[in-house]
Amino acid sequence: GEDVEQSLFLSVREGDSSVINCTYTDSSSTYLYWYKQEPGAGLQLLTYIFSNMDMKQDQRLTVLLNKKDKHLSLRIADTQTGDSAIYFCAEINMDSSYKLIFGSGTRLLVRP
Amino acid sequence: ETGVTQTPRHLVMGMTNKKSLKCEQHLGHNAMYWYKQSAKKPLELMFVYSLEERVENNSVPSRFSPECPNSSHLFLHLHTLQPEDSALYLCASSQDLPGGTNLGELFFGEGSRLTVL
Repeated sequence: GEDVEQSLFLSVREGDSSVINCTYTDSSSTYLYWYKQEPGAGLQLLTYIFSNMDMKQDQRLTVLLNKKDKHLSLRIADTQTGDSAIYFCAEINMDSSYKLIFGSGTRLLVRP
Repeated sequence: ETGVTQTPRHLVMGMTNKKSLKCEQHLGHNAMYWYKQSAKKPLELMFVYSLEERVENNSVPSRFSPECPNSSHLFLHLHTLQPEDSALYLCASSQDLPGGTNLGELFFGEGSRLTVL
């Protein structure tokens, strides 16, 4: 079935690294996505990884993909208070290729 | 300026009211979506339009009625809602539908916070 799972909450100290984890179900997904939702705002695409990649780095962000375990992670280096938000993992549904399946979101709280 | 504008931002309505949510995208995109975001639940895809044609109706109750008069505008008509319909309703657009080699990046509006009394 369709199920993208994430832990609900993560708290880190400013300057530390944050790692947000996600497990997904559809091994045929072409893209896997990380969206960010700041308070009072809609979601915004933060980064994505193509399914034939193991890792993608974009400035402070590192995405790791373990296809065998269907595990996706987002690492934020040198986490700042402005990174406090909800982070959603998403995959494309194989049967309805235009349908993104989102996880419940991980709320990241960055403490000064 | 997100490129996707939703109005109203907040709406309080009784169960017998009829109201509408409006979404407008200024990005020249071909696909538009309605999502429902409830507390502690994953985002639920409600409707998808591509080139003004509905391509997804995700088992949504008939008290929610979408309308896409053109590629830039999307409405969600509401009538005889229930208190459990209270949620944040997010509109999104993408250049094309995701899938295959299309990344299908979604651009979201800020949402309409709906409270049903």
